Amino acid sequence: AQSVTQPDIHITVSEGASLELRCNYSYGATPYLFWYVQSPGQGLQLLLKYFSGDTLVQGIKGFEAEFKRSQSSFNLRKPSVHWSDAAEYFCAVVSRGSARQLTFGSGTQLTVLP
Amino acid sequence: GAVVSQHPSWVICKSGTSVKIECRSLDFQATTMFWYRQFPKQSLMLMATSNEGSKATYEQGVEKDKFLINHASLTLSTLTVTSAHPEDSSFYICSARVAGPSTDTQYFGPGTRLTVL
Repeated sequence: AQSVTQPDIHITVSEGASLELRCNYSYGATPYLFWYVQSPGQGLQLLLKYFSGDTLVQGIKGFEAEFKRSQSSFNLRKPSVHWSDAAEYFCAVVSRGSARQLTFGSGTQLTVLP
Repeated sequence: GAVVSQHPSWVICKSGTSVKIECRSLDFQATTMFWYRQFPKQSLMLMATSNEGSKATYEQGVEKDKFLINHASLTLSTLTVTSAHPEDSSFYICSARVAGPSTDTQYFGPGTRLTVL
């Protein structure tokens, strides 16, 4: 079955530390890949997306993600976390087939310590 | 670019009344919009797909007579919660889709917090 997995429910890092949020997918063919961020009581903001080409994708707010086909992963990274990065992060995929439905992972809550 | 708005941002209503939520794509046209529901500490649950000029497609378990969707133009979709009850209280989020041969991206609105008393 097609699925998106974010294995970490909650991650805590200190401000200024590096960050990596994990995302794995299980699809027949490589889907379109996305990372969204949601602050409390807000909608989702698109951080970055991967469709094809360079497997290292740059996004907004200093985030980047690397697509690794061999590992079916699309992990999100940031070299130095800011307190304002505290939020819920969702990995999501869209199948390249006809369904084109956006499927979300369960989310990772990021806490940033001062 | 790719800004999606929702109105209202929050609403409180009495049980039995109906509530309409608007979703607009401000700087682009969207033939397809989506409505999601989100419970606290959970991911988004797709309720329905709204297609301009045609009937919405509802996900399994979503009552189409309770959650009325209208996609009247390429920039506006509305969700009406009819005869609302306390169990309908939730955070409702819409998205508008930009799609092409090699791209498919959903841009999300800020959400609407519905509280039914």
